[in-house]
Amino acid sequence: SQKIEQNSEALNIQEGKTATLTCNYTNYSPAYLQWYRQDPGRGPVFLLLIRENEKEKRKERLKVTFDTTLKQSLFHITASQPADSATYLCARSWGKLQFGAGTQVVVTP
Amino acid sequence: NAGVTQTPKFQVLKTGQSMTLQCAQDMNHNSMYWYRQDPGMGLRLIYYSASEGTTDKGEVPNGYNVSRLNKREFSLRLESAAPSQTSVYFCASSEVLAGRGYTFGSGTRLTVV
Repeated sequence: SQKIEQNSEALNIQEGKTATLTCNYTNYSPAYLQWYRQDPGRGPVFLLLIRENEKEKRKERLKVTFDTTLKQSLFHITASQPADSATYLCARSWGKLQFGAGTQVVVTP
Repeated sequence: NAGVTQTPKFQVLKTGQSMTLQCAQDMNHNSMYWYRQDPGMGLRLIYYSASEGTTDKGEVPNGYNVSRLNKREFSLRLESAAPSQTSVYFCASSEVLAGRGYTFGSGTRLTVV
């Protein structure tokens, strides 16, 4: 079966540093990967989408890469701030979106 | 505000009771989805509707039914609730065209006792 996996351990990071999250998938490469942010008690919020023919995508302090050889996407938050603390979900297209379980990021001042 | 509205926000049911979760979107999206989210697990697709008048099963459809009432509304029904259906339920909508993210509602927290 198709799997999409994220690191289940929370990522604790100091304010101002870069947070890097990993998303790995199995079997065929999806047409695109998406990244979402989820705050406690709220629904996920769409952040970025990257297509399989794109190596890198940026939006403000966020950067996403897509490596079809490694079957992996990396999500970077540069100059992290306490307000970036949340759970980040990756999702791949498989007809419909298939989501990973998410990685919690905690940014401390 | 434009978006996806879910009702109710919280619900407690007894085993065997039935209920309907309501979802409405005002973005004129064609596709709508129902997911459940459990601790340590990703969002799992229950049912989806690619367009008005069509519905299809997702990954975990057992114990649920759906109705796409019109383009705006997509409801999820639990006919006979079971404790295993205790979860947070999210409705989402999207454009059919690839490249657009999903817009999620704020969720319904359901407890079955």
